[in-house]
Amino acid sequence: GQSLEQPSEVTAVEGAIVQINCTYQTSGFYGLSWYQQHDGGAPTFLSYNALDGLEETGRFSSFLSRSDSYGYLLLQELQMKDSASYFCAVREAPSGNTGKLIFGQGTTLQVKP
Amino acid sequence: SAVISQKPSRDICQRGTSLTIQCQVDSQVTMMFWYRQQPGQSLTLIATANQGSEATYESGFVIDKFPISRPNLTFSTLTVSNMSPEDSSIYLCSVADIKNTEAFFGQGTRLTVV
Repeated sequence: GQSLEQPSEVTAVEGAIVQINCTYQTSGFYGLSWYQQHDGGAPTFLSYNALDGLEETGRFSSFLSRSDSYGYLLLQELQMKDSASYFCAVREAPSGNTGKLIFGQGTTLQVKP
Repeated sequence: SAVISQKPSRDICQRGTSLTIQCQVDSQVTMMFWYRQQPGQSLTLIATANQGSEATYESGFVIDKFPISRPNLTFSTLTVSNMSPEDSSIYLCSVADIKNTEAFFGQGTRLTVV
């Protein structure tokens, strides 16, 4: 079966660092993505890892270990506007490079003053 | 990047009726994806819309309930048929970038069935 596990909720204070973990079990693996979604908004892309290691984009970093079927999103210097839901998503190895995504259940991040 | 226009943004519908959701992309794309997101839940893929062929549906979703059209490379529609309150959800269309590393989403259609 397919499953992506991530914590349901995380709370942190402004200026802090938070890590959101994601473990996956899928029939194939082509890459791990992270998306942010504010209430009432559309998901927006944050990062993508196809290979092991750390990808850094500003305050956000994402890590992947393919051998452990594990990744995480690291958010630094938290700001109130970072309060949102964060989804990890797996692109399964094709049959064709279809772009189809399997999403985790999402982690609600609450940033407090 | 891709800009996706989706409409309607929201609707309240009577049970037993149907609603067609439209998705327009500002560039030509091979595949368009339709997701459902129930309140407070994750995104679940309904189907992949291919231009020139029938849509490919995921387990638990059938064409009679969610017919899809894909008349050209920039447009698709999803119809939610014979609606019941359980269909109340947000419906999102999505496309991938050319490298298939980033997905772009429309703003979603918030459907309430009463």
